[in-house]
Amino acid sequence: EAGVTQSPTHLIKTRGQQVTLRCSPISGHTSVYWYQQALGLGLQFLLWYDEGEERNRGNFPPRFSGRQFPNYSSELNVNALELEDSALYLCASSWEVGQYFGPGTRLTVL
Amino acid sequence: EDKVVQSPLSLVVHEGDTVTLNCSYEVTNFRSLLWYKQEKKAPTFLFMLTSSGIEKKSGRLSSILDKKELFSILNITATQTGDSAVYLCADYNNNDMRFGAGTRLTVKP
Repeated sequence: EAGVTQSPTHLIKTRGQQVTLRCSPISGHTSVYWYQQALGLGLQFLLWYDEGEERNRGNFPPRFSGRQFPNYSSELNVNALELEDSALYLCASSWEVGQYFGPGTRLTVL
Repeated sequence: EDKVVQSPLSLVVHEGDTVTLNCSYEVTNFRSLLWYKQEKKAPTFLFMLTSSGIEKKSGRLSSILDKKELFSILNITATQTGDSAVYLCADYNNNDMRFGAGTRLTVKP
């Protein structure tokens, strides 16, 4: 069974730019979660999508947004990038309980 | 405010030692507690605990939940260098997961 996939694996952007990260869940999973893991910090919950709708969001500014497509894949968009947005962005999909993580996208903002 | 606290923050042991990692939580609408191992990138799922007092085991790893005292422990026996990682616990309710800061375990040869 294929796991959660994310793309790209690495990304370098400059301040003020916009970025889109992509996630494909495990087949059959309808929920997708996004997390940010900045260097030295724990996993911070960003967004939760289920059945195409945003169900919950963490304590992040509106420039962090996303969407979920009919095939349950998801995008995370970050506008007006700031230096502190440099982090590993992890996507996880879930079925019933428990979450399975993708390999992450490492974003570096210069 | 909901919170998940792990201790210790870091731990250094030698191969063959037994370690106990702690996770306490104060959350509303508790549903389950999960343990993950994070090495280089993505966390790897270890255990999900929903019922108090029932031990989950997988090889040298085991975990148990105490819902009355609001904590869980993760035990690793006969540690190996490959056990070196950050171990995360998280509470999972219907809306999201809240992670602790993690315990960084280093196992020396």
